[in-house]
Amino acid sequence: KAGVTQTPRYLIKTRGQQVTLSCSPISGHRSVSWYQQTPGQGLQFLFEYFSETQRNKGNFPGRFSGRQFSNSRSEMNVSTLELGDSALYLCASSPQGAETQYFGPGTRLLVL
Amino acid sequence: DQQVKQNSPSLSVQEGRISILNCDYTNSMFDYFLWYKKYPAEGPTFLISISSIKDKNEDGRFTVFLNKSAKHLSLHIVPSQPGDSAVYFCAASIIQGAQKLVFGQGTRLTINP
Repeated sequence: KAGVTQTPRYLIKTRGQQVTLSCSPISGHRSVSWYQQTPGQGLQFLFEYFSETQRNKGNFPGRFSGRQFSNSRSEMNVSTLELGDSALYLCASSPQGAETQYFGPGTRLLVL
Repeated sequence: DQQVKQNSPSLSVQEGRISILNCDYTNSMFDYFLWYKKYPAEGPTFLISISSIKDKNEDGRFTVFLNKSAKHLSLHIVPSQPGDSAVYFCAASIIQGAQKLVFGQGTRLTINP
């Protein structure tokens, strides 16, 4: 099976702009989770989608949002970018959710 | 409040010897634990997991031990190889609870030839 794919791999934006990241899960996986990795905070949970519904959300401001489509593909959006949003954004998929999650390669976002 | 802690930021081990990475957790509701390996600019790669109903799980060179009373788990790599050099993250979840993994801060393992 193909692994989790994320696009784009690298992105440079300026403060105030918005960005959309895409994730395609492993075939058959219905749960997609998003995580943010920064040097200071480590890997932090953003949100999780299952069957097009957000089931859980981490402690991030409302500028961070996401959605899931009927084919389980997911997108996350960050509006009004801040310098502190520079991070590696990781998508993970699993059959149901909290069991083993498989990660994509990530999208490296740099906000200038 | 950091629920999953890896107190050693780094570890250096000689090739061929045993590497032992440690992880502590505070939430007694966690019932599923995982170890991931991560190279720079890549996503974490799943290594091995253990359910709270077990105290040991093996997969090749990797063994995870769980001590529930101490809220402690460890990953043993035997024998250590240069390709094992990476950052290792432990993670925990509640299978019937919030559908998310809680990660430790990671331990950088360096295998010296």
